[in-house]
Amino acid sequence: EVQLLESGGGLVQPGGSLRLSCAASGFTFSSYAMSWVRQAPGKGLEWVSSISGSGATTYYADSVKGRFTISRDNSKKTLYLQTNSLRAEDTAVYYCAKAFSSSGSFFLQDYWGQGTLVTVSS
Amino acid sequence: EIVLTQSPATLSVSPGERATLSCRASQSVSSNVAWFQQKPGQAPRLLIYGASTRATGTPARFSGSGSGTEFTLTISSLQSEDFAVYCCQQYNNWSTFGQGTKVEIK
Repeated sequence: EVQLLESGGGLVQPGGSLRLSCAASGFTFSSYAMSWVRQAPGKGLEWVSSISGSGATTYYADSVKGRFTISRDNSKKTLYLQTNSLRAEDTAVYYCAKAFSSSGSFFLQDYWGQGTLVTVSS
Repeated sequence: EIVLTQSPATLSVSPGERATLSCRASQSVSSNVAWFQQKPGQAPRLLIYGASTRATGTPARFSGSGSGTEFTLTISSLQSEDFAVYCCQQYNNWSTFGQGTKVEIK
């Protein structure tokens, strides 16, 4: 059974940083691209970033480019999102999600974690 | 950025009735559209991908259609567990999501 468990969220002041983690199990982690998708309170889903199975290729939404960094440790089956220079508009539940296919689009996800809440406020 | 516009924002339907949800893309996304179901406090669940292919475990009452810029999700006979928010996603050009359609009990 595929399981994704996010952690690392919390309350942070504007300009601060957080490192989000996503522990994966139930599939061959290194074979699949992974993504972070966020959802602001009462709002729709917003794709944030994706990374290839090897970690060599990354993609970012314009809204986070230069501030967030996606990475992975395949030996630990863990996905990360380093978030810096946080703004109030970054407040959201952050989901990690697994790519649907090991050989298809990075951007189609099938399994999602339950999310971790990041609140940016003074 | 490709913008996805979903309509209506809220759909009031009685159990057993048919629900038709629309998703329009600002430019062609071929058939690279997925539909997700989301219930309060839960993660999104993949229902449909490739515009019309049901994901594993998706009941047959859910069907998707469309290509290019116009897409439809149809729920043929609403069950109590189907009342939720439905969101479309395009993955043809990176990824964007629609703002969602809430299906509520009439």
